[in-house]
Amino acid sequence: DGGITQSPKYLFRKEGQNVTLSCEQNLNHDAMYWYRQDPGQGLRLIYYSQIVNDFQKGDIAEGYSVSREKKESFPLTVTSAQKNPTAFYLCASSSGANTEAFFGQGTRLTVV
Amino acid sequence: DQQVKQNSPSLSVQEGRISILNCDYTNSMFDYFLWYKKYPAEGPTFLISISSIKDKNEDGRFTVFLNKSAKHLSLHIVPSQPGDSAVYFCAASAWVTTDSWGKFQFGAGTQVVVTP
Repeated sequence: DGGITQSPKYLFRKEGQNVTLSCEQNLNHDAMYWYRQDPGQGLRLIYYSQIVNDFQKGDIAEGYSVSREKKESFPLTVTSAQKNPTAFYLCASSSGANTEAFFGQGTRLTVV
Repeated sequence: DQQVKQNSPSLSVQEGRISILNCDYTNSMFDYFLWYKKYPAEGPTFLISISSIKDKNEDGRFTVFLNKSAKHLSLHIVPSQPGDSAVYFCAASAWVTTDSWGKFQFGAGTQVVVTP
């Protein structure tokens, strides 16, 4: 079955710690994305990658970092510099021009 | 700077009637528009899309209309069913410019409740 897998589904982090969210896709898509959703708000773009070994900042990249060493993987690190990291994080991928993005099931990150 | 706006946070509709969701955008470079459906604690599911060369696209009960001059699109769901109760997001992207290809911008969403 092709799709996008995010893990873990729930994650708890102590203040001051970095944490990495996993995103893997087996759809052979070139582009991958990370979004953040806060209660009552839409999806805001954190980072996106159009191709392996390249990525671009989205609208709210501060306090986050990513890597794209393999086509199928796009992990997101939430660093201690992110002032308000508690949120629902969504990973997505798309194959190219004028195609939809497919989303994973999300990771709920809570800072305790 | 919100480039995609959904000004109605909620919509209540009776089962069997039409649901109309609206979306406005400000960036004239957007040339591909999508609607997603989302349940709580899940990822969004793609519903339907439309490219800027069209003004209408239909898929079963879902129809998307695009008015480029008004920078407005809408999603019609006919007939509405209880399973349609979810949050619906409008999204847009611009594929013509290199620096933003594939960068999807989302609206804030509209909560739809379909009542029996």
